[in-house]
Amino acid sequence: GAVVSQHPSWVICKSGTSVKIECRSLDFQATTMFWYRQFPKQSLMLMATSNEGSKATYEQGVEKDKFLINHASLTLSTLTVTSAHPEDSSFYICSARTRKVNHSPLHFGNGTRLTVT
Amino acid sequence: AQSVTQPDIHITVSEGASLELRCNYSYGATPYLFWYVQSPGQGLQLLLKYFSGDTLVQGIKGFEAEFKRSQSSFNLRKPSVHWSDAAEYFCAVMEYGNKLVFGAGTILRVKS
Repeated sequence: GAVVSQHPSWVICKSGTSVKIECRSLDFQATTMFWYRQFPKQSLMLMATSNEGSKATYEQGVEKDKFLINHASLTLSTLTVTSAHPEDSSFYICSARTRKVNHSPLHFGNGTRLTVT
Repeated sequence: AQSVTQPDIHITVSEGASLELRCNYSYGATPYLFWYVQSPGQGLQLLLKYFSGDTLVQGIKGFEAEFKRSQSSFNLRKPSVHWSDAAEYFCAVMEYGNKLVFGAGTILRVKS
């Protein structure tokens, strides 16, 4: 089945630094990737949608200058949390879909636990 | 906007007992519905999906779900729960742009 690899699985960084999270589709071409954020004991909230080769579309309330998304190829999207602060600590999950199957289900990465100290 | 309601935050069942997790959705057109399972600290695994056709869909790990348009529901069921089923379960509806809207999740605890 389709596999989405997310790296790193966990990261601890100091306040004010930037962190990059990678999301790769290993065996299919991901024309669209989604980035979700999940706070403890809460559901997943969509942050942004990225299509290969174009700018990401951010959900309302998500700062695009803080959460930089790049989707430069059909197999890789990155999320960079810039100038991270403790309130950015969360579980970030990417998902991807292929254009080859209409309304195909999303395949999720295993998530990245970000802790900002 | 679309929404998904999972009314049960926690459910505890005995191993071997049957399970039903409730999900109600709000969507104007024919919904595309999903159930995902998440183990602690992990991503989401797709259990099953409904796009059209037979309203009873079978998934992995012995799970099934029934789409009932009249009740706007898509409840997840399993006839006999195993201890390894303990996890959090999310119901989701796909809206325009292939974005998923998730319910709040239901944490399943299995007691031996």
